[in-house]
Amino acid sequence: DGGITQSPKYLFRKEGQNVTLSCEQNLNHDAMYWYRQDPGQGLRLIYYSQIVNDFQKGDIAEGYSVSREKKESFPLTVTSAQKNPTAFYLCASSIVARLNTEAFFGQGTRLTVV
Amino acid sequence: KNQVEQSPQSLIILEGKNCTLQCNYTVSPFSNLRWYKQDTGRGPVSLTIMTFSENTKSNGRYTATLDADTKQSSLHITASQLSDSASYICVVSFYSGTYKYIFGTGTRLKVLA
Repeated sequence: DGGITQSPKYLFRKEGQNVTLSCEQNLNHDAMYWYRQDPGQGLRLIYYSQIVNDFQKGDIAEGYSVSREKKESFPLTVTSAQKNPTAFYLCASSIVARLNTEAFFGQGTRLTVV
Repeated sequence: KNQVEQSPQSLIILEGKNCTLQCNYTVSPFSNLRWYKQDTGRGPVSLTIMTFSENTKSNGRYTATLDADTKQSSLHITASQLSDSASYICVVSFYSGTYKYIFGTGTRLKVLA
C-alpha cells in the first residue's frame, strides 16, 4: 500500500526529555512537511523539506529539529526547548513543482507531556 | 497577511439534511484551494482541489465552489450521513519560492440521527 505512516500514534514525554516522531512515506514524494495542530487553530508549519539533506524552518520551528537523510523519511525531534509540546502532530508529503500539488497526510501522533 | 477564515466554527444538522460550509481567503498569489475532511484523531483527507480557473468541483455528495474574484469558497454536503461528522478544513496554497499552504481553522460538523 502506498502512503504516509506516522509512529507512534500516542507518545508521552516527561519534562526535559527529547522525543522523536517518525514519518515515513513510500509515495516517492520529494517534499515532506511537519505540522502542529492545536484545538481551535489551523495547522501550523514546523519544518519542511523539498529534497534529501535539505530542510527549511516553518512558522513555529523553535524547539524542534528535523533531518532528511533519506527521501522516504522525515523524523521530527521535539526538544526540551519546546515549552508547550502537547499537541497533535501531522506529517505530510507532496510532489513539488506541480500546480495542483496535493499534500497527503499521515494519521498523526498525539504528544502529551506528563 | 495571508489568511484563511472558515465559518461557521461548528454546525449540527440532522441526518439527511444538506449543509454549506464557507471559506474566505486573502492569500496571494493564489495557486489552488482544497477542502479536507479530518476525522477526530486522524489525519486530513483530501475531498476536492480547485485551481484559479475552476469554479465547481464535485466528489460524490460533496460539491465545492470557488469564486476567485471575491476569494470565497464553499463546500456543500448533500443528504448528510452520520459518517460526515468530522472537521472540514479549507486550505489555500500559494507559491513563494516553493508551494506553501495556509490552513483554515476548520468547521466541526456533527450529524445527528
